[in-house]
Amino acid sequence: AQTVTQSQPEMSVQEAETVTLSCTYDTSESNYYLFWYKQPPSRQMILVIRQEAYKQQNATENRFSVNFQKAAKSFSLKISDSQLGDTAMYFCAFIRAGGTSYGKLTFGQGTILTVHP
Amino acid sequence: GAVVSQHPSWVICKSGTSVKIECRSLDFQATTMFWYRQFPKQSLMLMATSNEGSKATYEQGVEKDKFLINHASLTLSTLTVTSAHPEDSSFYICSARTGAWLEREWSPQETQYFGPGTRLLVL
Repeated sequence: AQTVTQSQPEMSVQEAETVTLSCTYDTSESNYYLFWYKQPPSRQMILVIRQEAYKQQNATENRFSVNFQKAAKSFSLKISDSQLGDTAMYFCAFIRAGGTSYGKLTFGQGTILTVHP
Repeated sequence: GAVVSQHPSWVICKSGTSVKIECRSLDFQATTMFWYRQFPKQSLMLMATSNEGSKATYEQGVEKDKFLINHASLTLSTLTVTSAHPEDSSFYICSARTGAWLEREWSPQETQYFGPGTRLLVL
């Protein structure tokens, strides 16, 4: 079974600054995918960024980038130039690539990020 | 991008009644949909995996007779909370997988889209 751990229940950052959210996971799988999802106050889940485990290059999406350390099983999210609209709960998530996973996501506990003006 | 809708967005019902929540994929065929439950400021808890044309697979601890799931078409899955009680009050979210028909493995081209959620309050 896979587990995903987010050890920061809440974080805050000033607008325009950079913040990093931590995530660690545990799995015996060699091929998998990792995701960061954002859930703003509207509660609509939004995909922020994804990373394929077989790719060494860290994924980036505009102001969002990840630091993927496969050996350490770490997958942190860096948000640069934070904006008020980034205020949300952020979830780290894991999917096995093979077997009978049917695409089941395993979520971390979540980190509530507040961006202050 | 692909859109998943849920109906209703919120519902209030009396204890003992049944409530049906619909999850629709609007512009793609979803062979697999997932149902989650979420309490305030907590993570999403997977309740069941819904595959079109077959019985749902429930996670451990989820009562299948309490939470009936029907995936009757490639674009619609329904969750019925039977004989609802106040402890069933929660936020229910569905998601739909864009993967190919009966594809068990997750491929790099896939994405999972989430519905906007349904808030259920049982009085």
